[in-house]
Amino acid sequence: AQSVTQLDSQVPVFEEAPVELRCNYSSSVSVYLFWYVQYPNQGLQLLLKYLSGSTLVKSINGFEAEFNKSQTSFHLRKPSVHISDTAEYFCAVNLRDDKIIFGKGTRLHILP
Amino acid sequence: NAGVTQTPKFRVLKTGQSMTLLCAQDMNHEYMYWYRQDPGMGLRLIHYSVGEGTTAKGEVPDGYNVSRLKKQNFLLGLESAAPSQTSVYFCASSRGRRYEKLFFGSGTQLSVL
Repeated sequence: AQSVTQLDSQVPVFEEAPVELRCNYSSSVSVYLFWYVQYPNQGLQLLLKYLSGSTLVKSINGFEAEFNKSQTSFHLRKPSVHISDTAEYFCAVNLRDDKIIFGKGTRLHILP
Repeated sequence: NAGVTQTPKFRVLKTGQSMTLLCAQDMNHEYMYWYRQDPGMGLRLIHYSVGEGTTAKGEVPDGYNVSRLKKQNFLLGLESAAPSQTSVYFCASSRGRRYEKLFFGSGTQLSVL
C-alpha cells in the first residue's frame, strides 16, 4: 500500500533555532510530493512541492525540502524558525490514480 | 475571488439523521476532493472527482456518498450519521494535473451526538 509517514507528531523548537520535519513515503512508482501548512483555525495551503529536476525545493518564507529517492524521503527544513511558523505541517503525495494522500501531520511548537 | 466555499461551517446532528455538505469552487477546476480531519489522523480522503459526472472512492468512503452533477459543485452526503463521523470536513479542488496544488475550503465542523 502506498502511504505517507510523518515520523513526529509534535516538534518543539526554540525561536531562531533550526528545525527538520520528517516525511517518508512508500511508492513503487513516481510520485509528486508536497508540503502543506495549516495555521490555527484555517484550511491548508501549499508550502512547496517537488515535481522533478533539482531535488532541493524552496518556499518563499525560508522553508526548504529535499527529495531523496533512495531513502524515499522528503524532509522539510528551516534554518531559523519564527513564532509565526507555529502551525501544523502535512506531507502529501499525489499518486498515479489522482488520489492525494496526506500524512498525519506534525505540529510545530515554537518556544520563546 | 471566493475560491472554494463550504457550507455549512458548523452543524450538529443526531445519530441517524442525514445531511449534505456543499462544496463550490469558482476557479473552473476539474478535480475536487473531500477529506476529513481528525486529531492525530491527519487528513483522510473520503471521495474525489476528476470531472463533472465522475466520482471515485478514497481511503475512507464508507458511510458517505458524493455527487458531481455540476463542474463547480461537489456534494458530500451522510445518509445516516454516526458519532464516528464527528470530524472537520475539508473540500479541495485543483486544475487536474498531478503536479497542481490543492485549493482548500475553510472546513465544516460536524458533530454527531
